[in-house]
Amino acid sequence: EAQVTQNPRYLITVTGKKLTVTCSQNMNHEYMSWYRQDPGLGLRQIYYSMNVEVTDKGDVPEGYKVSRKEKRNFPLILESPSPNQTSLYFCASRPAGTPLNNEQFFGPGTRLTVL
Amino acid sequence: DQQVKQNSPSLSVQEGRISILNCDYTNSMFDYFLWYKKYPAEGPTFLISISSIKDKNEDGRFTVFLNKSAKHLSLHIVPSQPGDSAVYFCAASPTSGTYKYIFGTGTRLKVLA
Repeated sequence: EAQVTQNPRYLITVTGKKLTVTCSQNMNHEYMSWYRQDPGLGLRQIYYSMNVEVTDKGDVPEGYKVSRKEKRNFPLILESPSPNQTSLYFCASRPAGTPLNNEQFFGPGTRLTVL
Repeated sequence: DQQVKQNSPSLSVQEGRISILNCDYTNSMFDYFLWYKKYPAEGPTFLISISSIKDKNEDGRFTVFLNKSAKHLSLHIVPSQPGDSAVYFCAASPTSGTYKYIFGTGTRLKVLA
């Protein structure tokens, strides 16, 4: 089954404790992206990757890191999480090309709480 | 600065009637516009898209209209069904960065049986 998987689905942590949220897709997609969803703010793009070893900042990259060493994986790293990073996170992937004819598939989400 | 705005946080419609969800944008450099649907505890799913060179795109019960001069797009669902109850996000992608997506804040649609 074609899918985007994220782990963990739920995480409660404390301020300053480094964490990684993993994302994997089995559709051989070139493009992958991370978003956060917050009440009243919708979805905001954190980072995206056009292919292996090629990443770029979205609208809200502060406090996050990413890496794309393999095509299928795109982990999101929070080196020193803070309470304002409490959010619902989504990973997504799609084939290369324009957004018009290349559907973006989303993972099920990771709910992160930073105390 | 919110470049993509959905000014109605919620909308209720009777089953069988038309649902109209609206979206406004400020950046004239957006080339692609998309609508996503999101159910609770799931990721968003793609619904329909339109290019800036078109003013209408239709897919079954879903039609997206684009008014470039007004920087406005709308999603029409006809007829509305209870299963359409979800949060709908519009999104835009610019010419200069087709891997960038700017999303609106979402509209919660409730279709009443």
